[in-house]
Amino acid sequence: GAGVSQSPSNKVTEKGKDVELRCDPISGHTALYWYRQSLGQGLEFLIYFQGNSAPDKSGLPSDRFSAERTGGSVSTLTIQRTQQEDSAVYLCASSRREGSGNTIYFGEGSWLTVV
Amino acid sequence: GDSVTQMEGPVTLSEEAFLTINCTYTATGYPSLFWYVQYPGEGLQLLLKATKADDKGSNKGFEATYRKETTSFHLEKGSVQVSDSAVYFCALESAGGSYIPTFGRGTSLIVHP
Repeated sequence: GAGVSQSPSNKVTEKGKDVELRCDPISGHTALYWYRQSLGQGLEFLIYFQGNSAPDKSGLPSDRFSAERTGGSVSTLTIQRTQQEDSAVYLCASSRREGSGNTIYFGEGSWLTVV
Repeated sequence: GDSVTQMEGPVTLSEEAFLTINCTYTATGYPSLFWYVQYPGEGLQLLLKATKADDKGSNKGFEATYRKETTSFHLEKGSVQVSDSAVYFCALESAGGSYIPTFGRGTSLIVHP
């Protein structure tokens, strides 16, 4: 597609349930990022994939969060046993990796509400 | 670690007013600096960037100059329009090669007719 595609755009789930959020990056982009945006907060880095390298998981807030990227393209962010504090917009972004100062391209986000 | 500090919003202006949104950063070396904008109901998109000291990024009438001596990258526009109403995020990409941008908290701009 022309841009970064995320699904679902909105998700309401019950506390304790697992959720999966999907990201389809721009074709040819080797780098993929997940960020979280909470109300009134900035963008919190979660995880970064680059090509076939091991992902940088340093931003994942707990072991309930995991992500994978299959075939160097589509990525899934999984939140297990969701809690109310997980409610946020989850943003996926992708970029080419050509030196420094690369522009990253964001999807519109997946709004997650845990009730 | 790297960090970005932006002025808190909301910033409320009348159309055709001058805009400044302050951004300062903490990082080692010479990071790349960015402004991203999020219009209502849309995803973040790049507004402008600068990759070395004294560079000026510009786009859509907005400008920001990379000031190493003051570790700043303030966003300016001479005459804002209602359509500029959005949330503006300052960001840096470390020179150390982590390639993971660090974002500020965002500044909401509201422009009244």
